Amino acid sequence: GQQLNQSPQSMFIQEGEDVSMNCTSSSIFNTWLWYKQDPGEGPVLLIALYKAGELTSNGRLTAQFGITRKDSFLNISASIPSDVGIYFCAGQLGFGNEKLTFGTGTRLTIIP
Amino acid sequence: GAVVSQHPSRVICKSGTSVKIECRSLDFQATTMFWYRQFPKQSLMLMATSNEGSKATYEQGVEKDKFLINHASLTLSTLTVTSAHPEDSSFYICSAERRGEETQYFGPGTRLLVL
Repeated sequence: GQQLNQSPQSMFIQEGEDVSMNCTSSSIFNTWLWYKQDPGEGPVLLIALYKAGELTSNGRLTAQFGITRKDSFLNISASIPSDVGIYFCAGQLGFGNEKLTFGTGTRLTIIP
Repeated sequence: GAVVSQHPSRVICKSGTSVKIECRSLDFQATTMFWYRQFPKQSLMLMATSNEGSKATYEQGVEKDKFLINHASLTLSTLTVTSAHPEDSSFYICSAERRGEETQYFGPGTRLLVL
């Protein structure tokens, strides 16, 4: 099935650093979502974006819905140890089609 | 809240046996539930969409006779992996969509190991 391209694939950063990752698609989506998955668990929704150009924050997390509707990025400021995990973007067409297409994931590791 | 549970959390079975995985929405009614499969170090891939009281819609390449889905109530969907083989070993995750919303709430996943 289709997957969204996410970059970078993995990141190794020090605690306190800011993080930026992005997600691109060859087709448009009407909703962009960002999830975090811890090992052995299901994904947890971080931020949902519903409008092209929208910039939304959730604490230290900020995400934007690209104006072309084909991309989105997620920023994490002042990273802390509990930010470790895998981050997935997901696109949704909506309007009766609720299927999610997931990105390839970005694995975040924080170096002590 | 919107809590989704899965049972069992992990299961080991012999090749050729069938395994049933339950997905429950604990505090809301879910008109639609989704089943995903995630292989190690890979992303989630949608297997099928399940609507209460109707047949599931399977994604291309997913065998409906092998992965039986039943959505008998607004709070329960089950996935049965029939005649499981080692290549079916994976992390199976369900999600549930609350009535009137398009947000999917994910379960904690079920790890299946077929020996």
